[in-house]
Amino acid sequence: AIQLTQSPSSLSASVGDRVTITCRASQGISSALAWYQQKPGKAPKLLIYDASSLESGVPSRFSGSGSGTDFTLTISSLQPEDFATYYCQQFNNYPNTFGGGTKVEIK
Amino acid sequence: QITLKESGPTLVKPTQTLTLTCTFSGFSLSTSGVGVGWIRQPPGKALEWLALIYWNDDKRYSPSLKSRLTITKDTSKNQVVLTMTNMDPVDTATYYCALSTGYYNYWGQGTLVTVSS
Repeated sequence: AIQLTQSPSSLSASVGDRVTITCRASQGISSALAWYQQKPGKAPKLLIYDASSLESGVPSRFSGSGSGTDFTLTISSLQPEDFATYYCQQFNNYPNTFGGGTKVEIK
Repeated sequence: QITLKESGPTLVKPTQTLTLTCTFSGFSLSTSGVGVGWIRQPPGKALEWLALIYWNDDKRYSPSLKSRLTITKDTSKNQVVLTMTNMDPVDTATYYCALSTGYYNYWGQGTLVTVSS
């Protein structure tokens, strides 16, 4: 199974900061990567698919990049509602594995 | 409007079989390319992909759980059922179903299943 390694596992940031989360795949997955945001007690919400495509309704401060094995989720200017846990997921191979998550906390 | 909702027992005993139902609306599981998957999340831990069934009845399972999982669909009822045998306390988690078109763009609210005697 393809392993996805997210870094960092947690970070502290302030409102307005630029935040970058990385996801590394154990083998190439082309652009078959999605990013999700999850808030406590809620289901994950799709933010980015196909590595860089913004899901409808998601603010443009979220962006994704990468292909092959290295991917990045960037929040250009962190807002109060963005404090959450973020997960990457690959859908190039089965099982459709998830990364371990990155918790974004308030500094 | 697309919705999914999980239902099933909230408490199961060790060694029992868990049966979860995902009831959905707003899409058809007979549409080419559409699938419904199951994902779980133990308390305080990461998401874990379990299984996926496609419109054409193609089924995929997590290799580590394949021997314990069965996924089926009832297109006429707009339901997908996941069964997991030989439940153990480590299977305590919130179980989600989600619409798949590759990625998972619609999710149910999740249902917490506790495994305890």
